Amino acid sequence: GDSVTQTEGLVTLTEGLPVMLNCTYQTIYSNPFLFWYVQHLNESPRLLLKSFTDNKRTEHQGFHATLHKSSSSFHLQKSSAQLSDSALYYCAYMGYKLTFGTGTSLLVDP
Amino acid sequence: EAGVTQSPRYAVLQEGQAVSFWCDPISGHDTLYWYQQPRDQGPQLLVYFRDEAVIDNSQLPSDRFSAVRPKGTNSTLKIQSAKQGDTATYLCASSLGTGDEQYFGPGTRLTVL
Repeated sequence: GDSVTQTEGLVTLTEGLPVMLNCTYQTIYSNPFLFWYVQHLNESPRLLLKSFTDNKRTEHQGFHATLHKSSSSFHLQKSSAQLSDSALYYCAYMGYKLTFGTGTSLLVDP
Repeated sequence: EAGVTQSPRYAVLQEGQAVSFWCDPISGHDTLYWYQQPRDQGPQLLVYFRDEAVIDNSQLPSDRFSAVRPKGTNSTLKIQSAKQGDTATYLCASSLGTGDEQYFGPGTRLTVL
């Protein structure tokens, strides 16, 4: 079945350093729809990015990701982390339903 | 535009008690989802509706959980006899159509003692 893998459970880095959170997926569908959701403490998940176009960079609020069907990846990146970026980040895949990865907790220190 | 609203925000029960959660989706959204999010895990789909019809309830523990959306607008998720393993946040989400962006409500945090 469909699955989403986020290899890092926790990423800790210093403010100003670049961010990269990994996401890979497995699916039988040839046209996957991938999402990144962000969940701040005591809040509900909020859509950050989405893409279904191969090799096209999508950007929002300083974050960007590119769907690469050849490697089944949709890694989330940001050039310079901010303290306010500390949150849980979920990669999700839309097949017949939205399947979430296990999440990566990003902790940005001053 | 009002977002997805849920009530109650918190619930604390003893095992064996029943509880209902209520969700009001964004106006005009025909698809409504219920997710269970255990602590330190991602949301897991329980059931979703398109209008009043259940499209997928394969992950809903049918012996104790039920969900309805009788008029295709508001929805209720009910746990008949709660267990400690049901402790989680229950999230409702809605979207314009299946496959469109989902907007999440604030969730109901359930604790079963």
